[in-house]
Amino acid sequence: QVNLLQSRAALVKPGASVKLSCKASGYTFTDYYIHWVKQSHGKSLEWIGNINPNSGYINYNEKFKGKATLTVDKSTNTAYVELSRLTSEDSATYYCTRGSTGAYWGQGTLVTVSS
Amino acid sequence: DIQMTQTPSSMPASLGERVTISCRASQGISNYLNWYQQKPNGTITPLIYYTSNLQSGVPSRFSGSGSGTDYSLTISSLEPEDFAMYYCQQYDSSPNTFGAGTKLELK
Repeated sequence: QVNLLQSRAALVKPGASVKLSCKASGYTFTDYYIHWVKQSHGKSLEWIGNINPNSGYINYNEKFKGKATLTVDKSTNTAYVELSRLTSEDSATYYCTRGSTGAYWGQGTLVTVSS
Repeated sequence: DIQMTQTPSSMPASLGERVTISCRASQGISNYLNWYQQKPNGTITPLIYYTSNLQSGVPSRFSGSGSGTDYSLTISSLEPEDFAMYYCQQYDSSPNTFGAGTKLELK
C-alpha cells in the first residue's frame, strides 16, 4: 500500500533552516510528482511546489521561491523540502502529497519557529 | 493566480441530511478540481479528483460535479464521521490553489 511517511516535528530558531523529509513506499517513486503544501495554524492550504523525482524538474509557487528548496533522493525514495531564513510566518504544518490528483498525503510535519 | 471561492465557510447540519459545498474559480479550470476532508487532528483524506471521480475507498455518499468555473461537493446523507473541514483545490494551472475551507458542524 502507498505510504508517505514524513519526518517528526521540528522546533527551530529564527533565522535558521530546516529540512523536512517525506519517504515514499508502496509504488514506483519516479512515476509521480511529489507536491508540498503548507498549512498555517487555523488557516487554509498553500501549495509550495512540486518536483518530478525522475527528471528533477521543479515548479515553485512564486511566493515560496527563495524560501523553499525541493529535492529528492531516488536511492531512498525520499523527497525533501528545505526551508531557509525561518521566521514566525514559517511556523506551520507541512504536507507532502503524491501527484496532481492528491490521492495520497503524508501525515504532516509541524514546524515551530521560536527562540 | 486562480482564486478559489468556497462557500459556505461553515455549515451546521444534521445526521442524515444532504449537504452541498460550492467552489467557484476565478477563471475556467477545465474540471481539474479536487476535494479533500481534514479532521481536527490534521489528517487529510482525498475524496474526489477531476471534479467527479471518487478516490479509492471513499464512500459513495460523496459525489462531485461541475464545469467551467463552478464546482460542488455533495454528501447525500451525513454520517457522524463526516463532520470535518472540506477544501477544494484547482490544479489546472500553477500555482495550484485551494479554497478557504468549509467547516461542516453538527447542528
